[in-house]
Amino acid sequence: DAKTTQPNSMESNEEEPVHLPCNHSTISGTDYIHWYRQLPSQGPEYVIHGLTSNVNNRMASLAIAEDRKSSTLILHRATLRDAAVYYCILRAKYGGSQGNLIFGKGTKLSVKP
Amino acid sequence: DAGVIQSPRHEVTEMGQEVTLRCKPISGHNSLFWYRQTMMRGLELLIYFNNNVPIDDSGMPEDRFSAKMPNASFSTLKIQPSEPRDSAVYFCASSLEWRGDTQYFGPGTRLTVL
Repeated sequence: DAKTTQPNSMESNEEEPVHLPCNHSTISGTDYIHWYRQLPSQGPEYVIHGLTSNVNNRMASLAIAEDRKSSTLILHRATLRDAAVYYCILRAKYGGSQGNLIFGKGTKLSVKP
Repeated sequence: DAGVIQSPRHEVTEMGQEVTLRCKPISGHNSLFWYRQTMMRGLELLIYFNNNVPIDDSGMPEDRFSAKMPNASFSTLKIQPSEPRDSAVYFCASSLEWRGDTQYFGPGTRLTVL
């Protein structure tokens, strides 16, 4: 299974941008890059996903390296509510068992007021 | 939509007792997933269903665990007999289809086995 590597923890100041990195050097051509986050005492929630091009939605932006071996989740203005564990997950494009969500340890983001 | 509903939110039981966790997926979703989260092992996929049929139960830890989905709007995860090492937060998630769609998670059931 293709795996991801993320820093264990990061800190940010409120209202500043946050760049959460993810390395996935063994990614295959059909793997999507998904990000989920888990707020304290809640279930994980979907953030964003992409294949090759950069993606934007109301929650965040996803910047994907040209060789796809790394990606960065960008929170444009961190709020206290963004404090969570962020998971970078590779999912096979055509699903099956390789399309399952395999959660690693993620990055614990702390946001300081 | 109310989202994925799980009950109970908290369960405390004694070793050897039967425990039943319940999940109502989002209406219209065809796939349902059960996960377990512990500090030691993180989030693990236990079993998932598509159209009420179990597709892969290879994550179920042992025969003490069983899961059913009698209809599209209800699933149960049963532990019999329960053991202290089963203490964890159990999450249910649903998605439109199981092949790569976004999964929506419930709030979880925190199980403590004494």
